[in-house]
Amino acid sequence: DIQMTQSPSSLSASLGDRVTITCRASQDIGNYLTWFQQKPGKSPRRMIYGATNLAAGVPSRFSGSRSGSDYSLTISSLESEDVADYHCLQSIQYPLTFGSGTKLEIK
Amino acid sequence: QVQLKESGPGLVQPSQTLSLTCTVSGFSLTSYHVSWVRQPPGKGLEWMGVIWTGGSTAYNSLLKSRLSISRDISKSQVFLKMNSLQTEDTATYYCARDITYWGQGVMVTVSS
Repeated sequence: DIQMTQSPSSLSASLGDRVTITCRASQDIGNYLTWFQQKPGKSPRRMIYGATNLAAGVPSRFSGSRSGSDYSLTISSLESEDVADYHCLQSIQYPLTFGSGTKLEIK
Repeated sequence: QVQLKESGPGLVQPSQTLSLTCTVSGFSLTSYHVSWVRQPPGKGLEWMGVIWTGGSTAYNSLLKSRLSISRDISKSQVFLKMNSLQTEDTATYYCARDITYWGQGVMVTVSS
């Protein structure tokens, strides 16, 4: 199975900060990487797909990038509504595997 | 409009079988695959299995011996059955169309 190592597990940042969350894949997954946002009590919401593509309706302050086997989700300027858990998912191979999640809070 | 909704018992006794239903609308099960994903309280997401457009299935190897996913195309429903439940199976269970559209989830507690 492909392992997705996500870091950090938690992150506290100030409003307006640039925030980056990373997932590292244990095998080549190409661009088959999706980022989800999950607010308390809610279902995951797809934010980024294909590693770099912004999903419909997602604010442009969110972006995704890839460097080798490292995939990053960046929020260019943190807003209060971005407080949530974030998860990465590889979908190149079954079983699909998620990262362990990152809890993002406001400092 | 794509919608998925999970339903099932909120409480299951240890060693019993969990049966959940995912009722979908806005698309056909013969055109899109549906996965089940679960999330224990305060923890991350775990992919459980998928039923593809042709009706074949694939499962997480950790759950494969206990898990079965099936569907009723005429009713637009996907079913999950998992036996020998333990307390560690307490979680919110989601169905999701190609991991893009998600249901609201159903919380299942395994307890006597």
